[in-house]
Amino acid sequence: GAGVSQTPSNKVTEKGKYVELRCDPISGHTALYWYRQSLGQGPEFLIYFQGTGAADDSGLPNDRFFAVRPEGSVSTLKIQRTERGDSAVYLCASSFGGREYTEQFFGPGTRLTVL
Amino acid sequence: QQQVKQSPQSLIVQKGGIPIINCAYENTAFDYFPWYQQFPGKGPALLIAIRPDVSEKKEGRFTISFNKSAKQFSLHIMDSQPGDSATYFCAAGGGSNQFYFGTGTSLTVIP
Repeated sequence: GAGVSQTPSNKVTEKGKYVELRCDPISGHTALYWYRQSLGQGPEFLIYFQGTGAADDSGLPNDRFFAVRPEGSVSTLKIQRTERGDSAVYLCASSFGGREYTEQFFGPGTRLTVL
Repeated sequence: QQQVKQSPQSLIVQKGGIPIINCAYENTAFDYFPWYQQFPGKGPALLIAIRPDVSEKKEGRFTISFNKSAKQFSLHIMDSQPGDSATYFCAAGGGSNQFYFGTGTSLTVIP
């Protein structure tokens, strides 16, 4: 079956603009995660959804970042008033969720460049 | 503060060698330790994972060694192949579904 897909694969924007990044999880996965990966670093947790609700948004760096998952499937990460420091690869992952750890399947990421 | 410290930053081995990547953590609440492999332009993919109730786990050519008292764990790749050349990340999780990743090790296996 299809894996996690993310669109666009690359996004170049100007400082101060608004961007939306989309994630399509694996069908049937109830848990969805957003991570940010800066060059030469490991993924950094941003937010975790269980179903439609954000179960943990403690990793969002500030109120310019927001994510939604209105129907419990596709999720959109929204970044307002982008800054050059927001440039990174934004990774989405999904899993079956539940109380026990289950494998998180990652998408290929969206490379965001803020000029 | 880096929750999981990983070393070395890069590693070069000959084909057939056994690269070893080390990670250390401080938070004793962590109870799940996965290793991920990432190729350029791709997302990380789970290789192998371990819980602290065992000291070693093997899956194919990949082995995790876990030392709970030292709060350290390592990945060994047996009979390494050029196709293993990638970046490897250790991670730790505990009490939630949030994972804390190490900074990564770039492995190059020379034919």
